[in-house]
Amino acid sequence: QKEVEQDPGPLSVPEGAIVSLNCTYSNSAFQYFMWYRQYSRKGPELLMYTYSSGNKEDGRFTAQVDKSSKYISLFIRDSQPSDSATYLCAWGSARQLTFGSGTQLTVLP
Amino acid sequence: ETGVTQTPRHLVMGMTNKKSLKCEQHLGHNAMYWYKQSAKKPLELMFVYSLEERVENNSVPSRFSPECPNSSHLFLHLHTLQPEDSALYLCASSQGGQYQETQYFGPGTRLLVL
Repeated sequence: QKEVEQDPGPLSVPEGAIVSLNCTYSNSAFQYFMWYRQYSRKGPELLMYTYSSGNKEDGRFTAQVDKSSKYISLFIRDSQPSDSATYLCAWGSARQLTFGSGTQLTVLP
Repeated sequence: ETGVTQTPRHLVMGMTNKKSLKCEQHLGHNAMYWYKQSAKKPLELMFVYSLEERVENNSVPSRFSPECPNSSHLFLHLHTLQPEDSALYLCASSQGGQYQETQYFGPGTRLLVL
C-alpha cells in the first residue's frame, strides 16, 4: 500500500465552483499536513499547513484533516481560473516528508 | 534575485555526458534539498543538506553526486545518466533541517536524457 494516495485527476470545473481535493495516508506517525500548489513550469509553493485534526481556513481555501480516518481534504470556494494548477498533498514527521502524486485542476472561465 | 533559483532551467544530455545542476537560495536558510519529480509520480527526496552536511541520501544511484559548498549553494553533478533519469529536478531550502520546517522550492531543471 502506498503511504499517500491522491487522485491524479485531471479535474475540470467551471469558474465559481467549489473544488474538493482529497488524499489518504497509511502511516500513523505523520504529525503534520500540508497542501502545496504547483503552477506549470514552476516549483511547488506551500498553500496550507496544519498539524491537528479539524478545519483550517485561509481565504477561499479550507484544509480539513481527519486523523482517525487518515484523510485530508482541500476545499476551494469560488474557484478562479488562476487556481488552475497541480495540488500536492504532503505529510510529515520529524524523520520523513512524503508527497502525493498531485491532482491537476483546471478552472474553466 | 529572490527565493530559490535554479540553473539551467532546461537540459538535454546524452548518456555519456557530465553536467551539473545549480541551486542558490537567497532566504538565509541553512538546509537544502534535491527532489526528483517524474510525471504522475510523487516527489522523491534525493538528498538533504543541513548546515552544509549531508544528512539524508535516499538510496540514490551514484551517477547523481551532490555538493554543498556553503549554505546558499547546492549542486547536483550528473554523469552516465539513463533515459529513466529524465525528470524535473527541484531544489528546496528551509530554515532548519527538520521535515516540519516549511520548504521553499525553486522552479526546477527539466532534464532530458537521450
